[in-house]
Amino acid sequence: AQRVTQPEKLLSVFKGAPVELKCNYSYSGSPELFWYVQYSRQRLQLLLRHISRESIKGFTADLNKGETSFHLKKPFAQEEDSAMYYCALREDSGYALNFGKGTSLLVTP
Amino acid sequence: NAGVTQTPKFQVLKTGQSMTLQCAQDMNHEYMSWYRQDPGMGLRLIHYSVGAGITDQGEVPNGYNVSRSTTEDFPLRLLSAAPSQTSVYFCASGRQGGPNTGELFFGEGSRLTVL
Repeated sequence: AQRVTQPEKLLSVFKGAPVELKCNYSYSGSPELFWYVQYSRQRLQLLLRHISRESIKGFTADLNKGETSFHLKKPFAQEEDSAMYYCALREDSGYALNFGKGTSLLVTP
Repeated sequence: NAGVTQTPKFQVLKTGQSMTLQCAQDMNHEYMSWYRQDPGMGLRLIHYSVGAGITDQGEVPNGYNVSRSTTEDFPLRLLSAAPSQTSVYFCASGRQGGPNTGELFFGEGSRLTVL
């Protein structure tokens, strides 16, 4: 069952504009949520996780249990933010990460 | 540290052929996993392991076998390749337990084409 939904395949914004990549999940327990990023010709890597509540490269994400969402936000997009972004969920009783289908972010000058 | 190393990077197979994708990590991670990445489908979990001798199925395990005889290695075997297995395969490892659980380190990927 698809537990992580990323509704946008592609998101295109202008440099300096705010960006929000959406992630919704379906899980009744206490999940752990992550955002992973894959830059061109680089390995997939962890961007941030909800329990750390930190800002990485200007990105933040807040877990909203009421709306079952974990949207990724940045107030001013930069061209180097262009990448594929994946939201992922780990169940509280599990080991594996379940990834969404990904959103390709394109930041144009 | 080399991190997670996958071989080969590219492979072309004919339908029915068998092959093994190799994955090795030098970070002493308990958890290892294999994903396939397909356009529009994102990353789908094939198999995973939480330690030597322990493996479990993910979302799309059919057509693939794995084993974990050592902490370092987690090979993925295709016994009889099918065109539907054309994909990019990623191996990932991570710690189990503690604050870093869920942080995965990925290999560079292996692009497999089945004709």
